Amino acid sequence: DVKVTQSSRYLVKRTGEKVFLECVQDMDHENMFWYRQDPGLGLRLIYFSYDVKMKEKGDIPEGYSVSREKKERFSLILESASTNQTSMYLCASSLQIGGSGLSYEQYFGPGTRLTVT
Amino acid sequence: AQSVAQPEDQVNVAEGNPLTVKCTYSVSGNPYLFWYVQYPNRGLQFLLKYITGDNLVKGSYGFEAEFNKSQTSFHLKKPSALVSDSALYFCAVRDRNNQGGKLIFGQGTELSVKP
Repeated sequence: DVKVTQSSRYLVKRTGEKVFLECVQDMDHENMFWYRQDPGLGLRLIYFSYDVKMKEKGDIPEGYSVSREKKERFSLILESASTNQTSMYLCASSLQIGGSGLSYEQYFGPGTRLTVT
Repeated sequence: AQSVAQPEDQVNVAEGNPLTVKCTYSVSGNPYLFWYVQYPNRGLQFLLKYITGDNLVKGSYGFEAEFNKSQTSFHLKKPSALVSDSALYFCAVRDRNNQGGKLIFGQGTELSVKP
């Protein structure tokens, strides 16, 4: 079974703090993703990575950065946390798109509920 | 632009009755479609996907979905609902402009099954 783990289930930080959210997957997946989930807005993609040291901006990258130094680990960084970054953060991973165009499903971690006060 | 719509914020069903959670999509070309379920305070779990082939796709926990190209829909169905099916359901479509497997998610539908 694919396992995606996130470093914390709940996190409380103060405005202006630098925050690190860690995600690790154990299935040798090439792709990794960071989403935030807010009521009524569904999931919005922040950043994704399709290889080590590679990253691409998603739909809402402002205020965030990412790091992928190893294939199994993808970190989300809030450089200076703000109250509008209070949210549920979900990490996911998937295999690379197949040569025949097969689209692989994403596997999600349990989420980190971040509160910025 | 590619998009997914889930027209109902909430669906209420009595246990034992059939359930349907609706999803419509807008993409260019052939769509790759997915359904996920999220239980309270948990991450998303993959239910099923449509890539090609048979329009009726069977997935986990007795769920199935019907791909309808003419109506651009991919509704999730189950013949007999269980109280334990109560959860948040997301429809998603793969962004065909992105080679990294990016998905576009709907806003989610809260399913409530009452005994």
